[in-house]
Amino acid sequence: ETGVTQSPTHLIKTRGQQVTLRCSSQSGHNTVSWYQQALGQGPQFIFQYYREEENGRGNFPPRFSGLQFPNYSSELNVNALELDDSALYLCASSQEGGYGYTFGSGTRLTVV
Amino acid sequence: AQSVSQHNHHVILSEAASLELGCNYSYGGTVNLFWYVQYPGQHLQLLLKYFSGDPLVKGIKGFEAEFIKSKFSFNLRKPSVQWSDTAEYFCAVRAGSARQLTFGSGTQLTVLP
Repeated sequence: ETGVTQSPTHLIKTRGQQVTLRCSSQSGHNTVSWYQQALGQGPQFIFQYYREEENGRGNFPPRFSGLQFPNYSSELNVNALELDDSALYLCASSQEGGYGYTFGSGTRLTVV
Repeated sequence: AQSVSQHNHHVILSEAASLELGCNYSYGGTVNLFWYVQYPGQHLQLLLKYFSGDPLVKGIKGFEAEFIKSKFSFNLRKPSVQWSDTAEYFCAVRAGSARQLTFGSGTQLTVLP
């Protein structure tokens, strides 16, 4: 079975710009969650998508938004980038009602 | 809101030493508990998980963890560590009907050969 794949692996953006990160979920998984992992910290929950709708959100501002597509892949969009948005962004897929989460390797975003 | 505490930020051990990493959470209801490992440059990998039943859970690579409900703890143990266990370890909790995992801040384990 394929795992979770994320693209790109690294990205450098300028403050104020917008960025889109992509995630392909593991085969058989219909739920995608996004996490932000700042340096030296544990991952922080951003939001979760199921059946193409957001069904859970952490303490992140509206400039963090997402999409889920019919094939269960997902995008994370961040507008008006700030320096503090520099982090590793992790995507995790799971089966709704299940208990297993499979994480991707992440996208390292640097905002300068 | 629930929180997870990992009190050991950096642990340094010699090979063959025993390991115990602490994890405490703050939530009074039903929890699912997880330990993940992150090797340098790699993705988070599940070591073990607890949902219900026997509070002593065995995972991969010789790791185990014990859920002590009265202490709100889920400590990770390994009798004899190897150099290849050098990595960052994260405890995570899924509280009640929450959809997300809440992670601790992680413990960096360095095993000296």
